[in-house]
Amino acid sequence: AQSVTQLDSQVPVFEEAPVELRCNYSSSVSVYLFWYVQYPNQGLQLLLKYLSGSTLVKGINGFEAEFKKSETSFHLTKPSAHMSDAAEYFCAVSDQAGTALIFGKGTTLSVSS
Amino acid sequence: DSGVTQTPKHLITATGQRVTLRCSPRSGDLSVYWYQQSLDQGLQFLIQYYNGEERAKGNILERFSAQQFPDLHSELNLSSLELGDSALYFCASSVDTWASGNTIYFGEGSWLTVV
Repeated sequence: AQSVTQLDSQVPVFEEAPVELRCNYSSSVSVYLFWYVQYPNQGLQLLLKYLSGSTLVKGINGFEAEFKKSETSFHLTKPSAHMSDAAEYFCAVSDQAGTALIFGKGTTLSVSS
Repeated sequence: DSGVTQTPKHLITATGQRVTLRCSPRSGDLSVYWYQQSLDQGLQFLIQYYNGEERAKGNILERFSAQQFPDLHSELNLSSLELGDSALYFCASSVDTWASGNTIYFGEGSWLTVV
């Protein structure tokens, strides 16, 4: 069975500083990987997804993630944080097309000036 | 706005009671998923339906049940409620398989408080 570990429950950064949110997964088969963002009192919004092809995936709001199979990782990065990036971020995995996503516990990104 | 509509947005009920949460998926989406989000458990997958049929089952309690109707809306029924069932319940939908490029869209959730 697959699982996801988000290594940091909270990540504080300063505005314009780089952001890295870490995600490791466990699966015995090929995986599909996702990052979602949740703003307060809202549902989850897809940031980016890796299904196949290029291992560097670009998403919305300037975020990107790199799939590293040898490290079983899918870390989310952004070169410069904005105040509006403050939110909860979830990494998710699935190992079969069309099945439900399994989510990590989430990482709270806080941005201060 | 994701296009996934959930009602009610907030619900307060007593222990032992039964509630029904409703979800209308995005127009054209055939798959519906239910998730529970709580502070201690995080986001837990409960169940998935595709075009009226149950497709996958996750950590759904026996006291909970769901169905997807011919018009593709879905309902999640929670019975014999306990304090620990207090959580945010999300519905999500997708056209079919996201591997073909489709995205899973989430509603804004239904807040359930059991007192």
